[in-house]
Amino acid sequence: NAGVTQTPKFQVLKTGQSMTLQCAQDMNHNSMYWYRQDPGMGLRLIYYSASEGTTDKGEVPNGYNVSRLNKREFSLRLESAAPSQTSVYFCATRRTGNTEAFFGQGTRLTVV
Amino acid sequence: GQQVMQIPQYQHVQEGEDFTTYCNSSTTLSNIQWYKQRPGGHPVFLIQLVKSGEVKKQKRLTFQFGEAKKNSSLHITATQTTDVGTYFCAGPIQGAQKLVFGQGTRLTINP
Repeated sequence: NAGVTQTPKFQVLKTGQSMTLQCAQDMNHNSMYWYRQDPGMGLRLIYYSASEGTTDKGEVPNGYNVSRLNKREFSLRLESAAPSQTSVYFCATRRTGNTEAFFGQGTRLTVV
Repeated sequence: GQQVMQIPQYQHVQEGEDFTTYCNSSTTLSNIQWYKQRPGGHPVFLIQLVKSGEVKKQKRLTFQFGEAKKNSSLHITATQTTDVGTYFCAGPIQGAQKLVFGQGTRLTINP
């Protein structure tokens, strides 16, 4: 069992380019999340999906879109990357309700 | 702004000293969770507190949930080098599924 798998692990983009970060889980969890981590800012919630077919904005959704493709997969898209989106991105999943979150290994994104 | 606040942002201690990080929410939380992230790693769940005034222990780690369920703390007794990392609190904001994290406290230890 891989748990939560994020691809790619590293990416460098030029300003204005687009890309999609992929997240897949084999834990049969209902809820999935995208966070970004910046020094001094902790983990900030970008978007989440409480269940298949639903998505909701988090604390910092501007500049991002998401797709809950199916129960297993939750992707994060940057349509026009900006240097301010340089960050480490984490995907997380939870079974449901007030349960623990399981994180992927992270994607380190640099926008130049 | 950030709905779950955590202090301090950084803490450096000598090995063997105690360490405490504090978490405060602007709203009452149904529960609070604590995570640890080792340098270069991803956050890993430590514990969840649910009841008002709850205290839980894991070896040298003591977790408390405030009576009003708006604050929490993590205390480590006699730190060891294996405790190095960033400690995060997290709580559900505006619904059970919206899990929001604090800024984290980065602990470094002088051996």
